[in-house]
Amino acid sequence: AQKVTQAQTEISVVEKEDVTLDCVYETRDTTYYLFWYKQPPSGELVFLIRRNSFDEQNEISGRYSWNFQKSTSSFNFTITASQVVDSAVYFCALSEAFGGSEKLVFGKGTKLTVNP
Amino acid sequence: DTEVTQTPKHLVMGMTNKKSLKCEQHMGHRAMYWYKQKAKKPPELMFVYSYEKLSINESVPSRFSPECPNSSLLNLHLHALQPEDSALYLCASSLRRGNEQFFGPGTRLTVL
Repeated sequence: AQKVTQAQTEISVVEKEDVTLDCVYETRDTTYYLFWYKQPPSGELVFLIRRNSFDEQNEISGRYSWNFQKSTSSFNFTITASQVVDSAVYFCALSEAFGGSEKLVFGKGTKLTVNP
Repeated sequence: DTEVTQTPKHLVMGMTNKKSLKCEQHMGHRAMYWYKQKAKKPPELMFVYSYEKLSINESVPSRFSPECPNSSLLNLHLHALQPEDSALYLCASSLRRGNEQFFGPGTRLTVL
């Protein structure tokens, strides 16, 4: 069965610090998709990034960057120069094929608190 | 229009009530999902509709009954719920497998 592990339950940093959120996954599929979502206190899940298993290029989007390494089954997320607005729970997720459809398998989430 | 809307935002119901949650998207997505999320936990998949047909039911109790009247609408009918069903109910949609799911803001349900 597919599995996503986010070992860091909570992280607290001071504004402007860099922070990395870890994500390790397990799958037997050769084609799979990985995602990161942000859930601020308001509750809505906000999509951040999608990566397919054939694309190991790292990606940068503003202060956000992602490091995908198939060799270690990891898909880590770094926030550079963190801001208070980055405070949220961050979920890493893996898509699992199921019949003709798919389901997302979420990690348990990492709660990030950025203090001023 | 790149959003998923859900109504109501909050719902309080008794154990004998019947209520419905509604979800709508106009992005042309053909897959729609219901998730349940308890406090401090990740979302748990309940149902998946693909091209308006139920394709995944994660062994959800029959007191939850999903319905997909058309490709833009998804309902979740609630009947005889238990207090432990109190949670945030999230709807999502995606274009196809492997594409990102877009989530609505959720309905916060309290069962008394």
